[in-house]
Amino acid sequence: GNSVTQMEGPVTLSEEAFLTINCTYTATGYPSLFWYVQYPGEGLQLLLKATKADDKGSNKGFEATYRKETTSFHLEKGSVQVSDSAVYFCALSSGGSNYKLTFGKGTLLTVNP
Amino acid sequence: NAGVMQNPRHLVRRRGQEARLRCSPMKGHSHVYWYRQLPEEGLKFMVYLQKENIIDESGMPKERFSAEFPKEGPSILRIQQVVRGDSAAYFCASSPYSSGKNNEQFFGPGTRLTVL
Repeated sequence: GNSVTQMEGPVTLSEEAFLTINCTYTATGYPSLFWYVQYPGEGLQLLLKATKADDKGSNKGFEATYRKETTSFHLEKGSVQVSDSAVYFCALSSGGSNYKLTFGKGTLLTVNP
Repeated sequence: NAGVMQNPRHLVRRRGQEARLRCSPMKGHSHVYWYRQLPEEGLKFMVYLQKENIIDESGMPKERFSAEFPKEGPSILRIQQVVRGDSAAYFCASSPYSSGKNNEQFFGPGTRLTVL
């Protein structure tokens, strides 16, 4: 079956530091990969996605590249801001039931001024 | 354009009571999904509904849990005779389509159920 493993948190960084949150997956077929972000008190929002190998998703300074050879989709940002403090979820969908998202456990990021 | 609405945001029930969680999808969305997040776990798919139809309930426990999405009104996730293990955050999502490039799911803020 499908599964997603992401970096355990919490992660605490200073403003302008470099961010990496690791994500690896196991899936049948050719999954689509996603990063969602959840700000305090809000629902999950799609941050970025990639639908095929070597695609790079990017949004708001965040990037992630779909690496089929390493089954990874690591999230990166060159310079984090306090407003990036949130929980980040890696997810995938695949196969005939591609509406069914499989999530990692989430990584809490706290950015201090 | 209002987002996905869920209510209540917090729900406390005693063991054996019923819990009803409501979800109003975004305007124009006819596909609704429910996910559950147990403590220290990721979100797990429960059920996918279209108006008046359950399309996939493979992630929903066979007993005590039911879901509906009537022609009029919100989608309802119903848990009968709740037990402590039902304590979790329940998230609803909606989408305009179920597949293809424009099938992004938009999530509500969740309902946090606590069973005493």
